[in-house]
Amino acid sequence: EVQLVESGGGLVQPGGSLKLSCADSGLSFSTSWMSWVRQAPGRGLEWVATINQDGSEIFYVESVKGRFTISRDNPKNSLYLQMSSLRAEDTAVYYCARDRRLSTIFGVIMYFDYWGQGSLVTVSS
Amino acid sequence: QSVLTQPPSVSAAPGQKVTISCSGSSSNIGNNYVSWYQHLPGTAPKLLIYENSLRPSGIPDRFAGSKSGTSATLGITGLQSGDEADYYCGAWDSSLSAGVFGGGTKLTVV
Repeated sequence: EVQLVESGGGLVQPGGSLKLSCADSGLSFSTSWMSWVRQAPGRGLEWVATINQDGSEIFYVESVKGRFTISRDNPKNSLYLQMSSLRAEDTAVYYCARDRRLSTIFGVIMYFDYWGQGSLVTVSS
Repeated sequence: QSVLTQPPSVSAAPGQKVTISCSGSSSNIGNNYVSWYQHLPGTAPKLLIYENSLRPSGIPDRFAGSKSGTSATLGITGLQSGDEADYYCGAWDSSLSAGVFGGGTKLTVV
């Protein structure tokens, strides 16, 4: 079964950088789209970024474009989120999730069937 | 505010039925598939419904999803105290080239 474990969260000053990692102990990492989803304190879920199996397709939410970089290392079964120029509004629990994305003639299928336990990122001075 | 619109809260008595709506547009719900998630504080979100109306294995048939036009609905029957949680709808938005979630609906079983 897929098991996702995030690491790398912590306290960082505004303008600083942090890199999150997500290790997948399952057997399907290299064949799966993967995503990052976050939840700020008192707020709802927010999709952050998605990457396809070989890293050739990547999408970001507008608010993180140019500041965050999603990447993956398939031989290491690992997903990453490099975050820079961090702002207070980036404070959130960050979840990695397996993204069952598929483009069909009837529309795009996107859903997250496995999630990590979350990693807290706090941006504060 | 969120691209997908959900009611902030719903409530119903144990054993009763509740529906949670999710309203979007032609760029998301209208032309793409909807998923639903249950989220308890401090835990990972759980997938309840995918591809508008399909249930993953292990999700009871008390949970049902539907879609019509640019809106989707999650129905929960036979409410239990353990169903108290936040519920989110999600979809791909083809105009934004981004994933989008609803703002979440807090379900109270009273």
